Amino acid sequence: GAGVSQTPSNKVTEKGKYVELRCDPISGHTALYWYRQSLGQGPEFLIYFQGTGAADDSGLPNDRFFAVRPEGSVSTLKIQRTERGDSAVYLCASSAGQYNSPLHFGNGTRLTVT
Amino acid sequence: AQSVTQLDSQVPVFEEAPVELRCNYSSSVSVYLFWYVQYPNQGLQLLLKYLSGSTLVESINGFEAEFNKSQTSFHLRKPSVHISDTAEYFCAAQLQGAQKLVFGQGTRLTINP
Repeated sequence: GAGVSQTPSNKVTEKGKYVELRCDPISGHTALYWYRQSLGQGPEFLIYFQGTGAADDSGLPNDRFFAVRPEGSVSTLKIQRTERGDSAVYLCASSAGQYNSPLHFGNGTRLTVT
Repeated sequence: AQSVTQLDSQVPVFEEAPVELRCNYSSSVSVYLFWYVQYPNQGLQLLLKYLSGSTLVESINGFEAEFNKSQTSFHLRKPSVHISDTAEYFCAAQLQGAQKLVFGQGTRLTINP
């Protein structure tokens, strides 16, 4: 079956612009996660949704970052007034939602802020 | 606070040689432990996990990891590696009762023929 799909795969934007990154989770998965991976680092937790609500947004670095999941399926990560330090690979993962359900990751969106 | 440390950023080995990728964690409460693998141009995939019970866990492709509570370690081993094992390996921890994973920095395993 289809895995987690992230679009676009690459995004280049200018400093100060607004970007949206999209994640289509595996059908039926209630839990959805966003992570950020900078060069040479492991994935860093940003936010976790259970259904439509953000159950844990403690990893969002500041108020320029926001994520939604209005219908409990597709999620969009939104970054306002992008900065060069936002350049990274943004990873989305989904799971069946029970504790210890394995996370299924997408291939990520590589964001470059020039 | 919870943290995961992978002591080696790169590990080069020859084909058919044994390998150990080291992982240590710190947490004041019980954790679940995972190894994820990222093959070139692919997304992260779960390799194996420790939740409870036997401290030695195995994957389907010959890797194993042993949970050592006293040393707070979860090292990944394989007795004989293959070219196809070339990938980046990430150790991760999850607090029991929480949902998010905390990842280590990753170890790049390169296999030389």
